[in-house]
Amino acid sequence: GAGVSQTPSNKVTEKGKYVELRCDPISGHTALYWYRQSLGQGPEFLIYFQGTGAADDSGLPNDRFFAVRPEGSVSTLKIQRTERGDSAVYLCASSPASGGAHEQFFGPGTRLTVL
Amino acid sequence: AQRVTQPEKLLSVFKGAPVELKCNYSYSGSPELFWYVQYSRQRLQLLLRHISRESIKGFTADLNKGETSFHLKKPFAQEEDSAMYYCALKGYSSASKIIFGSGTRLSIRP
Repeated sequence: GAGVSQTPSNKVTEKGKYVELRCDPISGHTALYWYRQSLGQGPEFLIYFQGTGAADDSGLPNDRFFAVRPEGSVSTLKIQRTERGDSAVYLCASSPASGGAHEQFFGPGTRLTVL
Repeated sequence: AQRVTQPEKLLSVFKGAPVELKCNYSYSGSPELFWYVQYSRQRLQLLLRHISRESIKGFTADLNKGETSFHLKKPFAQEEDSAMYYCALKGYSSASKIIFGSGTRLSIRP
């Protein structure tokens, strides 16, 4: 079956603009995660959903970042008033349920560039 | 603090030589540790986890709680092993948050 998909694959925007990044998890996966990967670094946790609710949003860097998952499937990561420091690859992952015993399957990522 | 340290940014070895990718962690409690791999132009994927105690693609990793290490090893490197490797830890404050190291690029020379 299809894996995790993310759109767009690349996004170039200007400082101060608003962007939305979309994640389609594997069908039936209840847990969904967002990570951010800056150049030369490993993925950094942002937020995790169990169903429709955000179970842990401790990784969101500030209130410019927000994520939703209204129907418990597709998720959107929203970034307001983008800054050059937001430039990174944003990764989405899903798993059948929460808990570390379940493997997280990663999407290809969205490369965000803020000019 | 929870932290994963991979001291080598780049490791280059000849085909057929042994490989060891180092990983140290900082954690209070019983950790759950993983190795993830990203091949060129592919997405990040799980290679192995310590609780499984399995060998995947010839790679093994043993959790050493005394040294707080989880080094990844393979006795004979193959060219297809060239990739980016990330050591990762499941944090205790959240059931599912994973903390990644900064990664080691493994390059196998023919």
